[in-house]
Amino acid sequence: AQSVTQLGSHVSVSEGALVLLRCNYSSSVPPYLFWYVQYPNQGLQLLLKYTSAATLVKGINGFEAEFKKSETSFHLTKPSAHMSDAAEYFCAVSEERGSTLGRLYFGRGTQLTVWP
Amino acid sequence: NAGVTQTPKFRVLKTGQSMTLLCAQDMNHEYMYWYRQDPGMGLRLIHYSVGEGTTAKGEVPDGYNVSRLKKQNFLLGLESAAPSQTSVYFCASSGRGAEQYFGPGTRLTVT
Repeated sequence: AQSVTQLGSHVSVSEGALVLLRCNYSSSVPPYLFWYVQYPNQGLQLLLKYTSAATLVKGINGFEAEFKKSETSFHLTKPSAHMSDAAEYFCAVSEERGSTLGRLYFGRGTQLTVWP
Repeated sequence: NAGVTQTPKFRVLKTGQSMTLLCAQDMNHEYMYWYRQDPGMGLRLIHYSVGEGTTAKGEVPDGYNVSRLKKQNFLLGLESAAPSQTSVYFCASSGRGAEQYFGPGTRLTVT
């Protein structure tokens, strides 16, 4: 089974500052990788998805993530934080390629706070 | 498209009572999932289904049962609710693209 580690359960940044949320996964075969965002009292919404050889993936709301196979990492960044980015962010990894099970394994989440 | 919907949105149960949560999706997805979300624990998979009439256990299946009689619906049942089952429950579905689409959640309190 896969596992996902999100470093830092809480991250605080000032508005306009760089956002960096860290995610590491355990896999010998590059899987599908995802970042989801959850706003208060809502379900999870897909931010971005890695499925190919392109290591830099762009998502919605100005977020992007870089896949680094050698580091088994998939960190999420945004150059300039906005107050509306305050939410909880989840990294997820799928079963290894070729599996038909469709399961995702989620990290424990990182709560992002944006200060004015 | 409504996407993934969940019924009910909120529920309070007494210990020992039973209930069923309904999840419906209109995207013709093969795979459906039930998760629970607890503070600091992320999302934990309860049960999932890879097609109509099939179900499988996830990482925290005890105390729950599921059924997938129709492709678009996935039911989660609690036969005898316990306070430890107080949580927010999310349903999700996915197709060939592996990404999962989530419902808005059901907040369950067991007293």
